[in-house]
Amino acid sequence: NAGVTQTPKFRILKIGQSMTLQCAQDMNHNYMYWYRQDPGMGLKLIYYSVGAGITDKGEVPNGYNVSRSTTEDFPLRLELAAPSQTSVYFCASLGRSNTGELFFGEGSRLTVL
Amino acid sequence: SQKIEQNSEALNIQEGKTATLTCNYTNYSPAYLQWYRQDPGRGPVFLLLIRENEKEKRKERLKVTFDTTLKQSLFHITASQPADSATYLCALGQAGTALIFGKGTTLSVSS
Repeated sequence: NAGVTQTPKFRILKIGQSMTLQCAQDMNHNYMYWYRQDPGMGLKLIYYSVGAGITDKGEVPNGYNVSRSTTEDFPLRLELAAPSQTSVYFCASLGRSNTGELFFGEGSRLTVL
Repeated sequence: SQKIEQNSEALNIQEGKTATLTCNYTNYSPAYLQWYRQDPGRGPVFLLLIRENEKEKRKERLKVTFDTTLKQSLFHITASQPADSATYLCALGQAGTALIFGKGTTLSVSS
């Protein structure tokens, strides 16, 4: 059982480049989330999805886009990368138990130079 | 706006002692509160959930309390071990909304 898988683990971008962070889960969870984590700042919600075809903005959506064409995949797109997007990005899915447990991927560390 | 504060960025204790981490919040009425553990370079891992109508929850050496009057949760690790060294995140939730996370407290347990 792989859980939540994120790729790539590390990436360096130049200012203005674009890229997609991939996230896939094999637990058949409906709810999925993208967070970013900056040093000393905690996890901030970028976008989330409650199911295939449905996405919504979180706290810090500017500069990002998402899509959810299948239950399994929830890619995060960065357009025109900026140094402010240097961060560690975590994808998560919401478990079906009554604990409301989030299952996180291992993260993607992005540096924009 | 809603705010979560974890009382200190770092906590250093000796092996065998009880570690107590604090999570305070304002301008929010959570239906539940969760605690996660995060190791360096890894994603957070769920530890415990406590609901607004529960005062205390235990799991092995972990104990969580939730005081909605004080707007505070305490997270205790008894008989701490060096392997407990990690960052611990507090998160608040309401039905139908995404979790809001605190900045975390980094615990170091020395032998």
